[in-house]
Amino acid sequence: SQTIHQWPATLVQPVGSPLSLECTVEGTSNPNLYWYRQAAGRGLQLLFYSVGIGQISSEVPQNLSASRPQDRQFILSSKKLLLSDSGFYLCAWSAGTSGFYNEQFFGPGTRLTVL
Amino acid sequence: DQQVKQNSPSLSVQEGRISILNCDYTNSMFDYFLWYKKYPAEGPTFLISISSIKDKNEDGRFTVFLNKSAKHLSLHIVPSQPGDSAVYFCAVVNFGNEKLTFGTGTRLTIIP
Repeated sequence: SQTIHQWPATLVQPVGSPLSLECTVEGTSNPNLYWYRQAAGRGLQLLFYSVGIGQISSEVPQNLSASRPQDRQFILSSKKLLLSDSGFYLCAWSAGTSGFYNEQFFGPGTRLTVL
Repeated sequence: DQQVKQNSPSLSVQEGRISILNCDYTNSMFDYFLWYKKYPAEGPTFLISISSIKDKNEDGRFTVFLNKSAKHLSLHIVPSQPGDSAVYFCAVVNFGNEKLTFGTGTRLTIIP
């Protein structure tokens, strides 16, 4: 069976510090991978998605970047955090089959607080 | 530009009664619609979906209704149970597009 891991579960960082959140998927190959953010009082916003190693699409301009160094690894980074980067970050995966919609499965999330 | 709206941020329903959660979208090209349920500090989990060729899909206590002319989606939960207390997100997708667009969510509280 497939599982998705995210770490850390919670993180408190000062403004201006770097960020690295990691997501890994087990039990599948060549998944599509996604990073979402849920800010306080807001819905889930798609930040990045990837259909393969080294292939990253950014949905919104922001202070964050994403990388996919391995097939089942997705990393969310920032060089300098802003207060507005606080939120609940979710990684998700879906089967990489093209041509029709595949359900997305979400990880447990990381609660980031920037002070 | 909010393409998917859930106008009720919260809803309280007595246990055993029907819960109705609503969702409106703006783009008539959306052709697949989903509901996700989210508990605090956890990732969303898929609940039920419907494609644009249908107007109703039922799964146990959960039924999703789609009104394409009104661009309106609703989720009915009956009977409501305390474990149904969570935030519910509707989501939409274009056929062949792997990207979901989520609504802002509705916090459902079931009162025992």
